[in-house]
Amino acid sequence: DTEVTQTPKHLVMGMTNKKSLKCEQHMGHRAMYWYKQKAKKPPELMFVYSYEKLSINESVPSRFSPECPNSSLLNLHLHALQPEDSALYLCASSQDSQYWAYNEQFFGPGTRLTVL
Amino acid sequence: AQSVTQLGSHVSVSEGALVLLRCNYSSSVPPYLFWYVQYPNQGLQLLLKYTSAATLVKGINGFEAEFKKSETSFHLTKPSAHMSDAAEYFCAVTAYGNKLVFGAGTILRVKS
Repeated sequence: DTEVTQTPKHLVMGMTNKKSLKCEQHMGHRAMYWYKQKAKKPPELMFVYSYEKLSINESVPSRFSPECPNSSLLNLHLHALQPEDSALYLCASSQDSQYWAYNEQFFGPGTRLTVL
Repeated sequence: AQSVTQLGSHVSVSEGALVLLRCNYSSSVPPYLFWYVQYPNQGLQLLLKYTSAATLVKGINGFEAEFKKSETSFHLTKPSAHMSDAAEYFCAVTAYGNKLVFGAGTILRVKS
């Protein structure tokens, strides 16, 4: 299984809502990532988890809260978002080893988020 | 710091023509370079990667890229474009801590 799955595919939420995005992989990867991609822009890294521990937070606002309950799952909890947070949210995973630099990242299809 | 620059935000070719998408990198250490493709409303798919084993790298769907240290380039090519190649292409380089730094992307249009 070389697939990263993400649910839901689409999400519309109000600024006062609380919602969560889910990502799952069964490739035995120990590094998982959240990216945000605005239209016509490259993906921007938000968070990196390595062995279920948060290793990188790219100064993301606290209204985004990541969680890695186990090595296969990655969640992104959303609360009090702003309309400018509307974007495609991509999850990715990769092997996490001493040779991390050339381990390719496998991406999921993304969740299209719209904040009203 | 590692970075990549993609020259040309849009490239248009005729079906059957050569595809050339340009990427130049900046890195203080030997770089690990990647090309990803993104079809509309989808995630990114790895086309190929350079890890110093060989300067000419062959990928999926007939694409290949050549690493040229003297030119700090890693351009993506395909001898004959197909309509299904129309997509956005991202060049990327790894940076410290599992970080992948993307170029701005190049949208490839294939004309029939």
